[in-house]
Amino acid sequence: NAGVTQTPKFQVLKTGQSMTLQCAQDMNHEYMSWYRQDPGMGLRLIHYSVGAGITDQGEVPNGYNVSRSTTEDFPLRLLSAAPSQTSVYFCASSFPGQTHEQFFGPGTRLTVL
Amino acid sequence: KQEVTQIPAALSVPEGENLVLNCSFTDSAIYNLQWFRQDPGKGLTSLLLIQSSQREQTSGRLNASLDKSSGRSTLYIAASQPGDSATYLCAVHDYGQNFVFGPGTRLSVLP
Repeated sequence: NAGVTQTPKFQVLKTGQSMTLQCAQDMNHEYMSWYRQDPGMGLRLIHYSVGAGITDQGEVPNGYNVSRSTTEDFPLRLLSAAPSQTSVYFCASSFPGQTHEQFFGPGTRLTVL
Repeated sequence: KQEVTQIPAALSVPEGENLVLNCSFTDSAIYNLQWFRQDPGKGLTSLLLIQSSQREQTSGRLNASLDKSSGRSTLYIAASQPGDSATYLCAVHDYGQNFVFGPGTRLSVLP
């Protein structure tokens, strides 16, 4: 199993540009989520999904969109990037029917100029 | 709103010492608590998960305990090694499908 994969690893955007961060898992996990990690702020939940077709907002959802058309994939879209979205983004997945242990991807380091 | 704190923020110890990292949370209605390790520039690696009905979990030199009534968890690392140097994060999973992370403890184990 590849676990949780994220692409790209690094990305530089200009203010106003859009992009999609990709996340995929091959563990048949129903629960997937996106976090951002900033110095001094820790990890904060952006959006999460409890299954295909179901998404909900976390603590810091503004400026981000998500969709979940399949169990495996959970992309995060930035429609109009802002410097405040410079951060490291992590995707995670877990299986609610068991221990709900979270598994994380390697992260995407995003810089918005 | 659940809040998670970790003490100390940073810790430096000589190799071979036993050490304890602390995690506190404000709402005791939790589903589980998970400890992670994060190396610089890397993702999070799961170390131990304690269900709300459990008191402790062990994996090798690591032992995590949970006291829900007092809102505390500790991660005990025995016979520390330089390879243990990393940031350790605890995360609380509440019943609202949310995971709340602490700010982490940065550990340095000196040879």
